Amino acid sequence: HVQLVESGGGLVKPGGSLRLSCAASGFSFSDYYMTWIRQAPGKGLEYVAYISSSSTYTDYTDSVKGRFTTFRDNAEKSLFLEMNSLRAEDTAVYYCARMLHLSSWSVDFWGQGTLVTVSS
Amino acid sequence: DIQMTQSPSSLSASVGDRVIITCRASQTITSSLNWYQQRPGKVPRLLIYAASSLQSGVPSRFSGSGSGTDFTLTISSLQPEDFATYYCQQTYRSITFGQGTRLEIK
Repeated sequence: HVQLVESGGGLVKPGGSLRLSCAASGFSFSDYYMTWIRQAPGKGLEYVAYISSSSTYTDYTDSVKGRFTTFRDNAEKSLFLEMNSLRAEDTAVYYCARMLHLSSWSVDFWGQGTLVTVSS
Repeated sequence: DIQMTQSPSSLSASVGDRVIITCRASQTITSSLNWYQQRPGKVPRLLIYAASSLQSGVPSRFSGSGSGTDFTLTISSLQPEDFATYYCQQTYRSITFGQGTRLEIK
């Protein structure tokens, strides 16, 4: 069965860095676009980034451009989010999720999330 | 950037009620609109993709409609497990979520 397991979250000071990882299993990881979505405590869902199946394309929401980088290792079935210059407003649960294209794109499977807390 | 606006932001309803949630895009997104359900403490779940297609395993009381800029999610007869927060999402250009609609028990 499909599994996405995030790791790497934790407490970091403003201006600090963190790398999130997502281990995928139960599907052909290299065939799928993947995305990061976050949710601040008590708030709604916010798109962060996506990466194409072969890493050709990446996209980021404006608030993280230049600070966050997503990349993947298809051989290891892993997705990563490198986060630099972290701010308090980056505090959130970060979900790794699989994208599916039928007649349009959607997100059909989500990991359980990893909490990132940016605080001094 | 494409902005997504849901209404209402919150809604109280009873078991058996018919509920409609709307989502409006700031520009046309054709049918690139999805709906998700998030129960408290749980991971979001895809309900409807491409505006009107029911995701596998989702009960048929959920339906979606619309195209262009205006979309609706309808729950035909509310069940206790449907009390949750619902999000629309556009994937026409990059990805954007609506702010969510919290559906509460009356």
